[in-house]
Amino acid sequence: EVQLVESGGGLVQPGGSLRLSCAASGFTFSIYWMSWVRQAPGKGLEWVASIKPDENEKYYVDSVKGRFTISRDNAKNSLYLQMNSLRAEDTAVYYCARGASYYRYWGQGSPVTVSS
Amino acid sequence: DIQMTQSPSSLSASVGDRVTITCQASQDISNSLSWYQQKPGKVPKLLIYDASNLETGVPSRFSGSGSGTDFTFTINSLQPEDIATYFCQQYSNLPRTFGPGTKVDI
Repeated sequence: EVQLVESGGGLVQPGGSLRLSCAASGFTFSIYWMSWVRQAPGKGLEWVASIKPDENEKYYVDSVKGRFTISRDNAKNSLYLQMNSLRAEDTAVYYCARGASYYRYWGQGSPVTVSS
Repeated sequence: DIQMTQSPSSLSASVGDRVTITCQASQDISNSLSWYQQKPGKVPKLLIYDASNLETGVPSRFSGSGSGTDFTFTINSLQPEDIATYFCQQYSNLPRTFGPGTKVDI
C-alpha cells in the first residue's frame, strides 16, 4: 500500500524557516517524480514544486522561487521542502504527492501557519 | 501560465440527478487534464486523468470528456457521498495549475 506521511509543519513567524519532510513507503520511491501541493485555508489547490527521481531537475511555482527548495533522499525514501523567508501568504496545508503530472497518491498534509 | 476556469462555482442537486461541471483552459492542453474530488477536511482524490480515463476503483457514475481547451466532468446519478468540491488540473505545462473548484451539495 502506497503511503506518504508528511511532518515538520507548524507555526512560524514571518521571515522564518521550516523544513517539511515526507516519508514514502509501499512503492519504489527512487523511480518516481515527487511534488508538493499546498492549499491555503478555505482556498483551492496550488502546485508548489516537483523533483525528478535523480534530483537533476527541479521546478517551482514563481511565488516560491528563491525561497523554497525541494530535495529528496532516495536511500531514505524521503522528500523534503525547505521553506525560507516565509510569508503570511505561505500559510497552507502542504501535501506531498507522487508524480509530476497528475497526482494519484497524496499524503495527509502538514499544516504551516506563518504568523507573528 | 495556463489559467483554468470552472463553472459553476457551486451547485445543488438532488440524489439521482446528473451533474455536469465544465473546465476551460486558457490555451490548448490536449488531453492533459485530471479531476479530483475533495471532501471536507480530507485529502484530494484523483478521479479522472488524461481527460477521460477513470481511475481504478472510482465508481463508473463519474466520467470526463473533452480535449483542447474545453472539458466536462459528469456525475451520473448523484449520490449523498458525492458531496465534495471538485477540481480540474492541467499538466500540459509548468506551472501545473488547478481550477478554482466546484462545490457540489445535495
